[in-house]
Amino acid sequence: GAGVSQSPSNKVTEKGKDVELRCDPISGHTALYWYRQSLGQGLEFLIYFQGNSAPDKSGLPSDRFSAERTGGSVSTLTIQRTQQEDSAVYLCASSREGYVGYGYTFGSGTRLTVV
Amino acid sequence: DAKTTQPTSMDCAEGRAANLPCNHSTISGNEYVYWYRQIHSQGPQYIIHGLKNNETNEMASLIITEDRKSSTLILPHATLRDTAVYYCIVSETGANNLFFGTGTRLTVIP
Repeated sequence: GAGVSQSPSNKVTEKGKDVELRCDPISGHTALYWYRQSLGQGLEFLIYFQGNSAPDKSGLPSDRFSAERTGGSVSTLTIQRTQQEDSAVYLCASSREGYVGYGYTFGSGTRLTVV
Repeated sequence: DAKTTQPTSMDCAEGRAANLPCNHSTISGNEYVYWYRQIHSQGPQYIIHGLKNNETNEMASLIITEDRKSSTLILPHATLRDTAVYYCIVSETGANNLFFGTGTRLTVIP
C-alpha cells in the first residue's frame, strides 16, 4: 500500500484480556519496527524485524508482550493479560532497508486503552 | 539513552523562519543527526538527516556545526501546519532503532 497501515485505530479492553494489534508495512520494506508512546511522552522502542533475521526484542517491557511477522510482511503485536499501564499509542514503522539511514515511515498508530 | 538536548517548547510567527536547536556534544564520528516531527494524533514523519555537511530538502534545512556538537533545523517559512513536536536524534546508520526523546514542541502562531 501507499503507507503503513495499522488496525484497529482505537481499542478499549478490560484489564486482564489479551489484545492483538496489526501492522501492514509498505510493500517492499524489509524492516519493521514497533514503538509505543504513552500520553505526553516520547516514543519507546519495542521490537525490530529485518528480513529473515531473528528479531531484536530488547525493548519489550515484559513477557506479556510478543510480536510476529509473517511472510516478511504483516506484523502482529500481542499483549497478554493487559494492565492499565499498557495504555498507550502503539506505533508501527517500516523502512526500505534494515538500518535507520533511509528514514522510517510510521503508521497512525493504535490507541490502546485498558480499563 | 538520550544523546541530544532540545528545548521543551518554542513559538514561531507564521511566515517567519523557525530555527530549532539541538545539542549533541557526545556525537561520535559515524553517527548521523536525524530530524522527525510528530503532528498531533499522527505517527512521526521523517524530515531530514545529515552527517557533517549542511543538508536541504523540500521540507527543511539542516545546519550542523563544524565540530558536530550541535545542529539547527530550519523551516524557512513556518505555517500553521508545521505546529508539531520535533525530534532530534543521533544514531549510527547501522543501528537497529532510533531513540526518540521528548523533542521540542513548536507552536506556529498566526
